[in-house]
Amino acid sequence: RKEVEQDPGPFNVPEGATVAFNCTYSNSASQSFFWYRQDCRKEPKLLMSVYSSGNEDGRFTAQLNRASQYISLLIRDSKLSDSATYLCVVTLNGGKLIFGQGTELSVKP
Amino acid sequence: EADIYQTPRYLVIGTGKKITLECSQTMGHDKMYWYQQDPGMELHLIHYSYGVNSTEKGDLSSESTVSRIRTEHFPLTLESARPSHTSQYLCASSDRGQFLTSTDTQYFGPGTRLTVL
Repeated sequence: RKEVEQDPGPFNVPEGATVAFNCTYSNSASQSFFWYRQDCRKEPKLLMSVYSSGNEDGRFTAQLNRASQYISLLIRDSKLSDSATYLCVVTLNGGKLIFGQGTELSVKP
Repeated sequence: EADIYQTPRYLVIGTGKKITLECSQTMGHDKMYWYQQDPGMELHLIHYSYGVNSTEKGDLSSESTVSRIRTEHFPLTLESARPSHTSQYLCASSDRGQFLTSTDTQYFGPGTRLTVL
């Protein structure tokens, strides 16, 4: 079983749609949680950290459920520029990052 | 914007050649990492370093080696390149934030896309 598993993509949505990505992790000792964004043939870039209380950054909302070992990312009013692969990332003690396989999002006009 | 650089960006090389992929960061970060990523696949950690003279193997077995003689520099070397080494190699660095509750944010370089013929 993979340590971090994400929804298999791709997600194809129209502009303005709301889309949700799900992620589960297997190591209960996981310490920190992030969503990264990776554009095609580019490096990953941090989108947002994920906190137990949930956090929001503009159109993006991240949630963490430690009991269920589940992380989510919600994108509201999606834009064409949101098209990318979204990576769920978990860190273990010492700062090692474990990446999910990514969920590809394609926003169409 | 993070200051982490990788060279070359693209490399096409023949089997058996020795290659070194360069990675440098000007942020003074102690921790540096090398990841390997095949197209459409997840990133796999192949090496990491917690500081000068510290190197560790990552989760994915790799025939490459690394060195960390200076804080800002973390080169990766393949002694004899093979077609199976064809992949994208991403370097990253991180530094703990100023607050105790902060976690390591990793900043990635642009990557080196390696093709071994």
